[in-house]
Amino acid sequence: EVQLVQSGAEVKKPGESLKISCKGSGYSFTSYWIGWVRQMPGKGLEWMGIIYPGDSDTRYSPSFQGQVTISADKSISTAYLQWSSLEASDTAMYYCARHEGGSNTWLDYWGQGTLVTVSS
Amino acid sequence: DIVMTQSPDSLAVSLGERATINCKSSQSVLYSSNNKNYLAWYQQKPGQPPKLLIYWASTREFGVPDRFSGSGSGTDFTLTISSLQAEDVAVYYCQQYYDTPPYTFGQGTKLEIK
Repeated sequence: EVQLVQSGAEVKKPGESLKISCKGSGYSFTSYWIGWVRQMPGKGLEWMGIIYPGDSDTRYSPSFQGQVTISADKSISTAYLQWSSLEASDTAMYYCARHEGGSNTWLDYWGQGTLVTVSS
Repeated sequence: DIVMTQSPDSLAVSLGERATINCKSSQSVLYSSNNKNYLAWYQQKPGQPPKLLIYWASTREFGVPDRFSGSGSGTDFTLTISSLQAEDVAVYYCQQYYDTPPYTFGQGTKLEIK
């Protein structure tokens, strides 16, 4: 069974750093692109970027380029989303999801989400 | 970037009636080499992650009830629920995955029971 299990909720202060994770199981983790999607409170879905864990090829949405870093450790089947300096506007639910085939395919399996709250 | 615009923003339909959600892309998402539309639909219920319903604009994901159908080509697409059930109350999103990133979503359509 394909599963993406994300790390737990985080409460951080502005200016702090953070790295959240997404562990894949039940499939060949290195053979599928993993994407990250932001959902701000009460708002819609925003596509942030993707990574191919096989070679760490990474693509970002222009809206998120330079704001976050996507990485992966294929030895432990885990993808990451990290911030070096959080802002209150980063408060959101973050989902990882698997692209079904190549990068330009649909998102067929989703993690449960990680809620990030940034508040002083 | 390709901009995806859904209409309406919200919709109230009676149980058993048809619900129709529209999605328009700012440029064609039809790839001429394979004649496929790079468009997916997702359903998100409160407190849950999105769930894939349809890909290639009209192919239902395994296990999705056949009351859900997708249609359209090029820049205009439709998600239809033929007979609304109570469990279909959710927010629905379209997404394009054409060519290179970013693979943008529509703003969502909230579907409620009338």
